[in-house]
This record gives sequence, structure tokens and C-alpha cells, in this order.
Amino acid sequence: NAGVTQTPKFRVLKTGQSMTLLCAQDMNHEYMYWYRQDPGMGLRLIHYSVGEGTTAKGEVPDGYNVSRLKKQNFLLGLESAAPSQTSVYFCASSLLPVSGSFNEQFFGPGTRLTVL
Amino acid sequence: AQTVTQSQPEMSVQEAETVTLSCTYDTSESDYYLFWYKQPPSRQMILVIRQEAYKQQNATENRFSVNFQKAAKSFSLKISDSQLGDAAMYFCAYRSALTGTASKLTFGTGTRLQVTL
Repeated sequence: NAGVTQTPKFRVLKTGQSMTLLCAQDMNHEYMYWYRQDPGMGLRLIHYSVGEGTTAKGEVPDGYNVSRLKKQNFLLGLESAAPSQTSVYFCASSLLPVSGSFNEQFFGPGTRLTVL
Repeated sequence: AQTVTQSQPEMSVQEAETVTLSCTYDTSESDYYLFWYKQPPSRQMILVIRQEAYKQQNATENRFSVNFQKAAKSFSLKISDSQLGDAAMYFCAYRSALTGTASKLTFGTGTRLQVTL
């Protein structure tokens, strides 16, 4: 199993450009998440999905859109990139929660995005 | 909303010594889960140890153990016999046990651990 993979690993954008980050998991997980990591701020949740065709906003959703057309994929889009979106982006996935289970999240390797 | 606080931005430990990383959290819930994640220079997030709030016994994973004080809302990580490979950023995280919360994690700001010879 590859686990959680992210494409691309690095990207440099100019202000105003658009791009899509792809997250894929092969563990048949129902839940998927997008986080951003900034120095001194830990990981913050952007958007998440509890199943195919459903998405919801997290803590810092502004400037991002997401789609979950297939269970194994979760896309994060930036329609008009801004320098404030320079960050490291992590995707994660987890199983449906079962009472008493940790339901831990498994993380991808991250994407470093720089917006000039 | 829950918050997680890691008050030590950086810590240093000598190889083979023991170090404790602090984490406190704020919640009104009685049932939840707590995690410590390690992030080495490779950026990969690695689960180190986890604790269920309704279990009083502190979790242990080899050289890693926690001191879970539910009343004080404290969840510290102890690393014994520190190794050079333990050098990393460590994140404390909280997850509600309530249904309908989508198993979302709330992270602290992290503690960077240096291991010296």
C-alpha cells in the first residue's frame, strides 16, 4: 500500500495563478482532510470530507475549494493564489470512527507551495 | 472550541538523556483522544503515541511515554534514552470522541527537539 500520496511535492506560483493539489489514498478511508502548516502555528484544518461527494469547511477555508468526486481522491484548489497561501500543505485520511477506537489520521508527505 | 498549547517552542537534550515535552489543552468534553506526532526534517507526520481520556493508565511505546493528567488537562511526552533520530518537531493533538465531529484534529504549535552528542 502506498498509503496517502500527494501531488506535486513542490510548486511555485505567481500571485493570481490557480492550481490544484491532489491527494490520493489506497486504504479505503472514508474521511479525508487538508491542513496547512505555517511556522509557529502548527497544522490548521482547511477543509475536510466525510465521504464521497461531501465536503465541509475547517478552520481556515478562505481562498480554497475542495472536491471529493471519488472516495480515494481529495482535491484542494487555489483559484487565485496569494502570497499568504505560501505554506506546506498536508493531506490526511482516516477510517469511519468506531466507538472506542482512536481513528488515527494517516498523513501524506506534504506539498511545499510558494506564491510569489 | 478546543485549544492545544505547547509552551516550549524549542527543547534540547543530550543523547541518552531523558526529556519531557509539555502539552496542555482546553476542553469541556469528558471523552476524547490525545496524540503526539513527530515530524522529522523529511516533513512526514509520524504518530508516536496516543491516549484515550477515559483510561487512567498512561500510554507507553518503547522509549516514549506520556504523563496524562486529566484534571489538569495536561498531556506531556517523555522520551527516554534520547537518540539522534529523535530530533524533530513534535506536535500534540486533540480529537473529540463525540459523533459528528468527523474525527478532526486540533494541533498545538509544536516543539522543536534538538538532540546533542
